[in-house]
Formats: sequence, structure tokens, C-alpha cells
Amino acid sequence: GESVGLHLPTLSVQEGDNSIINCAYSNSASDYFIWYKQESGKGPQFIIDIRSNMDKRQGQRVTVLLNKTVKHLSLQIAATQPGDSAVYFCAEKHSGANSKLTFGKGITLSVRP
Amino acid sequence: NAGVTQTPKFQVLKTGQSMTLQCAQDMNHNSMYWYRQDPGMGLRLIYYSASEGTTDKGEVPNGYNVSRLNKREFSLRLESAAPSQTSVYFCASTYLGQGRYNEQFFGPGTRLTVL
Repeated sequence: GESVGLHLPTLSVQEGDNSIINCAYSNSASDYFIWYKQESGKGPQFIIDIRSNMDKRQGQRVTVLLNKTVKHLSLQIAATQPGDSAVYFCAEKHSGANSKLTFGKGITLSVRP
Repeated sequence: NAGVTQTPKFQVLKTGQSMTLQCAQDMNHNSMYWYRQDPGMGLRLIYYSASEGTTDKGEVPNGYNVSRLNKREFSLRLESAAPSQTSVYFCASTYLGQGRYNEQFFGPGTRLTVL
């Protein structure tokens, strides 16, 4: 069946370095791809989304890249900070008012001081 | 605004017991969702309510029932709890319509253990 998954379960980066979190998806019909951040003991929090007709979108310190040719999504975090330590989920959805999100399994980002 | 609130935060049940997880949002959102999160897994949708008065099954609805009590409140009921339902449960809401309907707002979660 269709699935959204992540390549690596954990990522460790040095504070101040850039982080790249990768995600593979298999549903070519998805219209939106979304990144969520989940801090320990809390619910997920929306970070950024990208529509399928785009290949790059920038936010505050974050950039999402979409490569539809290889069905790959990535989240880049610039100048990683200790507060970025969390589990990151990619998710996908179709357009339409009742479309639901399908989440990947999550990857843990650990920032070394 | 409190955002999305969930009660209780923690709960321990014995197999066969029933309980209701409560969720409320004060953001005037029309759509609400219940997810479960298990170790090493992403979030899986149990049920959702696209608007007041409607509910639909998600990916893993078996063993659960829901009630959209009003626009603000969406409850999840376990009629006869099983150990397989040990999980962390999240409620979320969003506004479907114009704007950022990709952005679901999540509650803090309910950690449920079934013995």
C-alpha cells in the first residue's frame, strides 16, 4: 500500500551546523507534503508544507525540498540549535477539504552542544 | 486561547474496562481528529470529524467509537479496552476551508496503558 517513510531513525548534529532530514514517499498522487516537529512529551507542531507543483519552499531557518522524480522530501534546518532537538515527521495529503494526513514513522534529531 | 486540550493526561485501565478520552478546541475549527502514536511508528488516524455532525473512520478504527458533541468537543471511547490499545492518543483540529488547512493543531496527548 501507499506509505510515507524515513531513511534514518536518528540524526546527530553539532550545534550551529545545518541539519538535513530526509523522507521518501510512495504516493505520487499526493498534493501536499508537510513537516511536523514533536518535542518530548508534547503533541506534533506544524513546521512547513510544500505543494506538489513546487520544488522548494523556505521558512524561518527551514527549507523544504521536493524531488518528485525520485519521490524524495527533505527538511533543511540552518544553524541547528538545541531547541531543534525533537522527532520530525513528514506527512502527505491529497488536496480537498476532507483529505487526511498520512504520517511517516519519524526521525529523531539530536543536537550536540 | 488554550488551543487543543485533552483529558486525562494519563490513564491506566484493566483489560475489558471502558473509558472516554475528551478533547476540546477553542479555535473555532470545524474539523477534528483522533490519532494514536506507538513507539517507532508515526501517527495513525483513528477517526475524524470533518464538520460538526459528521464522523468517519480513519486507518485504525477498530475498538473505538467517537462522538462529535458540538463544534468544540470530540470524544474517543474505548468500550472494552485491550492491551493492544496501549498507546499515546492525540487529538487535533484544523479549519477546513480557505487558508492553511494542512496545519493541524495537536493537543498534548493522553498516555493510556491497558493491563
